[in-house]
Amino acid sequence: AQRVTQPEKLLSVFKGAPVELKCNYSYSGSPELFWYVQYSRQRLQLLLRHISRESIKGFTADLNKGETSFHLKKPFAQEEDSAMYYCALVTGTASKLTFGTGTRLQVTL
Amino acid sequence: GAGVSQSPSNKVTEKGKDVELRCDPISGHTALYWYRQRLGQGLEFLIYFQGNSAPDKSGLPSDRFSAERTGESVSTLTIQRTQQEDSAVYLCASSSPMDRVWDTEAFFGQGTRLTVV
Repeated sequence: AQRVTQPEKLLSVFKGAPVELKCNYSYSGSPELFWYVQYSRQRLQLLLRHISRESIKGFTADLNKGETSFHLKKPFAQEEDSAMYYCALVTGTASKLTFGTGTRLQVTL
Repeated sequence: GAGVSQSPSNKVTEKGKDVELRCDPISGHTALYWYRQRLGQGLEFLIYFQGNSAPDKSGLPSDRFSAERTGESVSTLTIQRTQQEDSAVYLCASSSPMDRVWDTEAFFGQGTRLTVV
């Protein structure tokens, strides 16, 4: 069965500090991975796709198949990055999105 | 509408009453998900529909919870004999499974805030 683990419920960093939100998955094949974000009083929405290999709002994520990880990184945190972040995966066989339980990022001055 | 719509947006109910929460997914989306989000907490998976069938209902916390979907469209989540611990925001999401799975994107509703008093 596919599973997504986000080990940290809360991550608190200072403005300007680097950010790394951890995500580990379990699936024997090649999943597709995503990060979703929920800002205060807004709907949960897609932040980035693994396949895009692009930087969104300064965030990037690299798939490490050896470590089965897809950590979200940003070199310099901003106050507006404070939100709830969810890692998710989908597999071709299941076609079902599986979400982690989320990490709350708190960026303080 | 263009997005996922949930109703009601807020519901206050007395302990022991039954409630029905509704989700209107994006037209054409075959996959539909229900999640629960307690205050300040993360997503808790409840149930997944593919079309009108539910291949994964493993997240329903008790037999007081049930969900159905008709016409590959609207879904209702029913909670019977509500308890105070059922108080949470209930989120619905829909997606259209793509041949290119990397294009799969879930679109979320604004949620129904349920308060059991």
